[in-house]
Amino acid sequence: GAVVSQHPSWVICKSGTSVKIECRSLDFQATTMFWYRQFPKQSLMLMATSNEGSKATYEQGVEKDKFLINHASLTLSTLTVTSAHPEDSSFYICSLTGLTEAFFGQGTRLTVV
Amino acid sequence: QKEVEQDPGPLSVPEGAIVSLNCTYSNSAFQYFMWYRQYSRKGPELLMYTYSSGNKEDGRFTAQVDKSSKYISLFIRDSQPSDSATYLCATSSSGDKLTFGTGTRLAVRP
Repeated sequence: GAVVSQHPSWVICKSGTSVKIECRSLDFQATTMFWYRQFPKQSLMLMATSNEGSKATYEQGVEKDKFLINHASLTLSTLTVTSAHPEDSSFYICSLTGLTEAFFGQGTRLTVV
Repeated sequence: QKEVEQDPGPLSVPEGAIVSLNCTYSNSAFQYFMWYRQYSRKGPELLMYTYSSGNKEDGRFTAQVDKSSKYISLFIRDSQPSDSATYLCATSSSGDKLTFGTGTRLAVRP
């Protein structure tokens, strides 16, 4: 069964609005979750590491004020794309790591029009 | 130079063929090596997981890691149309944060 549940699977929003993506760990408590972004025909790129109860760690070049991450519980991390623009249109995927492998959510395809 | 290099393809093979997918990496600290399969508009799913050098076999899939040459491979035997997907190699030094290759699109023709 699924280990990670991500919602929504797709969303279309107007430029300038904010979008929240949820990532839930179903099988175990996750102190750390990861957020990746994948542009068409490109690889997954790590955006940030979400840490339960503390601030997220962002990769170089990722704007922390634009991509707000909240990891308030051991089973839920959220990514909010604030003031979205068309260039933010992408496939966003969350991940968490078990003992031997990383589990991925289903992904969220964001289209900003 | 990207940390992980992977030929994006596309790679088209007839059903039943042996498929060879490869990646090279540059960071000597990488010790965990994975292959993921990603269908269109879906999240990646783990196929193979290898720690350090060596071979690992699981059904029709065989993963090879050669740390001396920083080269990782995935072989698919008796390929099926259902194997048509994008295959991503991934590496990690710690086992959690992953660095991905660009992915290779594979099409298996019936």
